[in-house]
Amino acid sequence: LAKTTQPISMDSYEGQEVNITCSHNNIATNDYITWYQQFPSQGPRFIIQGYKTKVTNEVASLFIPADRKSSTLSLPRVSLSDTAVYYCLVGEENAGNNRKLIWGLGTSLAVNP
Amino acid sequence: GAGVSQSPSNKVTEKGKDVELRCDPISGHTALYWYRQSLGQGLEFLIYFQGNSAPDKSGLPSDRFSAERTGGSVSTLTIQRTQQEDSAVYLCASSHPRSWGVTEAFFGQGTRLTVV
Repeated sequence: LAKTTQPISMDSYEGQEVNITCSHNNIATNDYITWYQQFPSQGPRFIIQGYKTKVTNEVASLFIPADRKSSTLSLPRVSLSDTAVYYCLVGEENAGNNRKLIWGLGTSLAVNP
Repeated sequence: GAGVSQSPSNKVTEKGKDVELRCDPISGHTALYWYRQSLGQGLEFLIYFQGNSAPDKSGLPSDRFSAERTGGSVSTLTIQRTQQEDSAVYLCASSHPRSWGVTEAFFGQGTRLTVV
């Protein structure tokens, strides 16, 4: 199972775009990249998932270069409510062993007024 | 219910006592997962249910930990003879039958267990 590396923490201000980069040098051919968001005292919440190039939804965009050894979660115009921990995970989509994905420490994003 | 419900939300227990943590998954979700999250750490997989059976218990840290699921719905995680290192947030998640992976799972708010 691929291991991911993310910055431990980031600071931003309201209205700015935030980009969080995750490294996954050992990503396998069948692996997808998934990002979760976790607020204090809550369980993680799925944000976005992608395999290659770019994926966009109503919450975020995910940029994946051709070699897929990294990915960048982009949060447009963050607000105070985006303050949370963001986790990057790599594994096979809908595979039984997804449940054992290694959850790292995540990136603690602090959005300031 | 609308989401995954866990109870109690907080539990303080004395070392050596047994505790039971409950999870009510989303109706119709046959897959159910238990995770543990220690302070400032990522999630640690404990056990996975498909229906009432647990094909993967490999994450349970010791034989003091057990879990069961009845009626393909409610699950209970039991910790016997609790130790201080068991203090953590215990998270439950469930997913749709067509979504085998945790990548499409919905998480509850967790039970914060403190062993004193």
